[in-house]
Amino acid sequence: DAGVTQSPTHLIKTRGQQVTLRCSPKSGHDTVSWYQQALGQGPQFIFQYYEEEERQRGNFPDRFSGHQFPNYSSELNVNALLLGDSALYLCASSLDLGRSSYNSPLHFGNGTRLTVT
Amino acid sequence: QQPVQSPQAVILREGEDAVINCSSSKALYSVHWYRQKHGEAPVFLMILLKGGEQKGHDKISASFNEKKQQSSLYLTASQLSYSGTYFCGTANAGGTSYGKLTFGQGTILTVHP
Repeated sequence: DAGVTQSPTHLIKTRGQQVTLRCSPKSGHDTVSWYQQALGQGPQFIFQYYEEEERQRGNFPDRFSGHQFPNYSSELNVNALLLGDSALYLCASSLDLGRSSYNSPLHFGNGTRLTVT
Repeated sequence: QQPVQSPQAVILREGEDAVINCSSSKALYSVHWYRQKHGEAPVFLMILLKGGEQKGHDKISASFNEKKQQSSLYLTASQLSYSGTYFCGTANAGGTSYGKLTFGQGTILTVHP
């Protein structure tokens, strides 16, 4: 049973460029959340996708956008990269439980390490 | 607002016990606990729901005090494999959560032989 897979594992970009990160959820999961983890910090919620729509969003600018495909996989796009965007980007999948989704464990991928120079 | 974890770091010898605390200023639906080893993904340990429920997983257990919005993770008879950074993630009550978690800053646990 494949877990959450993310690609690429590492990425180096220049300020102002755009980047796309990809995620395939664990088999059976229908919800994908994206988190940003700075060095030495806990993961910060970017947004969550369910039924191909952005359902919740954290405190991140519009430069961060995403997409979910019919097979539940997801992409995270970041435009106009800043040095401060350098971080580990984690994708987490889960099973939607509606209003009880706070009871649904997150399964994380190994992340994409993004370095902006 | 981010939950606060304490202590920031713990150093143990194999076989010793440890407690990690997580405190939120907001009412919570649930508290999740995850462990992340260096260079790896966070791994789910357990969920605590409001109601003071205590859960266990081998020698790792946790409790949730709904009135105080505090959770504690108990690691007994620690093993080398327990080393890593422990994060609590909270699902805030009020409105619809849909499983969005707010993570604490983490507690680094190091177990020595």
